[in-house]
Amino acid sequence: DMKVTQMPRYLIKRMGENVLLECGQDMSHETMYWYRQDPGLGLQLIYISYDVDSNSEGDIPKGYRVSRKKREHFSLILDSAKTNQTSVYFCASRNRETGNTLYFGEGSRLIVV
Amino acid sequence: AQSVTQPDARVTVSEGASLQLRCKYSYFGTPYLFWYVQYPRQGLQLLLKYYPGDPVVQGVNGFEAEFSKSNSSFHLRKASVHWSDWAVYFCAVTSNSGTYQRFGTGTKLQVVP
Repeated sequence: DMKVTQMPRYLIKRMGENVLLECGQDMSHETMYWYRQDPGLGLQLIYISYDVDSNSEGDIPKGYRVSRKKREHFSLILDSAKTNQTSVYFCASRNRETGNTLYFGEGSRLIVV
Repeated sequence: AQSVTQPDARVTVSEGASLQLRCKYSYFGTPYLFWYVQYPRQGLQLLLKYYPGDPVVQGVNGFEAEFSKSNSSFHLRKASVHWSDWAVYFCAVTSNSGTYQRFGTGTKLQVVP
């Protein structure tokens, strides 16, 4: 069964703290994504990873970094979180064999206070 | 750069009535288009996708969409809406490489008795 798993699902952090959001997929997909979802803005692309240690900025990378040391895992890191990073973060992986369909995790809801 | 516009933030439909959700895209070249659905507290799931060919594509749960190059549109339709269709619907566009997938802001569908 194709699955993208995100941890944690809910997180509250104080401003200035570090945040680690983790994503795993069991499909050996090469390309993975991090998006954030905010009301009225839809999904905004933060980072893309084409494979292990091959990452590229998306549309809104400022304040974020990523790490991909294994094909199955893709992490999003916020160094010194800010209140405007309060959002729902979605990880996705891309299946080229089924026409570039994205498979999404259930999201990680981050609140920065 | 590719982009997607969903002009309706919210649509309300009576159960059993027909539905159309609008999507306009901007893309230089041949677009690949998707509709995803997001149920509460979940990630996005694919409804249907368009690749160059038949302009009308069928999806899951009775949804279909029609591609129009002249109108730069990819509207989603359903003949008879069910209460379980209450969700947020996202249109997305990508290049044929599928690397950059950009989403619209979403349309929230409410189904009333």
